[in-house]
Amino acid sequence: DAKTTQPTSMDCAEGRAANLPCNHSTISGNEYVYWYRQIHSQGPQYIIHGLKNNETNEMASLIITEDRKSSTLILPHATLRDTAVYYCIVRVRRSNDYKLSFGAGTTVTVRA
Amino acid sequence: EAGVAQSPRYKIIEKRQSVAFWCNPISGHATLYWYQQILGQGPKLLIQFQNNGVVDDSQLPKDRFSAERLKGVDSTLKIQPAKLEDSAVYLCASSLDSPGRRSTSYEQYFGPGTRLTVT
Repeated sequence: DAKTTQPTSMDCAEGRAANLPCNHSTISGNEYVYWYRQIHSQGPQYIIHGLKNNETNEMASLIITEDRKSSTLILPHATLRDTAVYYCIVRVRRSNDYKLSFGAGTTVTVRA
Repeated sequence: EAGVAQSPRYKIIEKRQSVAFWCNPISGHATLYWYQQILGQGPKLLIQFQNNGVVDDSQLPKDRFSAERLKGVDSTLKIQPAKLEDSAVYLCASSLDSPGRRSTSYEQYFGPGTRLTVT
């Protein structure tokens, strides 16, 4: 199973872009990179996922390096409500099922 | 669309007592998961169901934890007897994925969790 490495914490100014790095140097060719976040006292929430190409949705953008060994989640205009723990997860494939293994994540604090 | 429902939201028990948590997944979701989240850590998968069958329970402490998903819908997680180290948030999640369905999206929807304190 590919493992991920994320910084323990980071601060971001409200209204600015937040760039969250993640290293996954042992990722396999058919493994996806997923991002979830967990706001205090809530369950994790799916943000975005990608395989090779950069992805964008209404919440964030995901930039995956060409060698796929690292990725960056971008929150384009951070708000106070984006304060949360962000998890970078590499999806493990097992037969027809898919398992998500959460690490400790990055605690992001958006400051006014 | 209604989300994943869990109850109770909070529970305080003494060690050696029993406790049960209930989860109602999103309608139509074949896969259901129970996670344990200890303070300061990410969620850890305890058990995964596909419909009413167990797919993965390798991380479930089977001497004290049990789970069932009768009729492939609601699920119950039980701890008997509880230990101090069982203090955690127990999260239930569900997803559409089912056996044989090749999916490139594996979005899991999580409930709010049950915070268990064992004293």
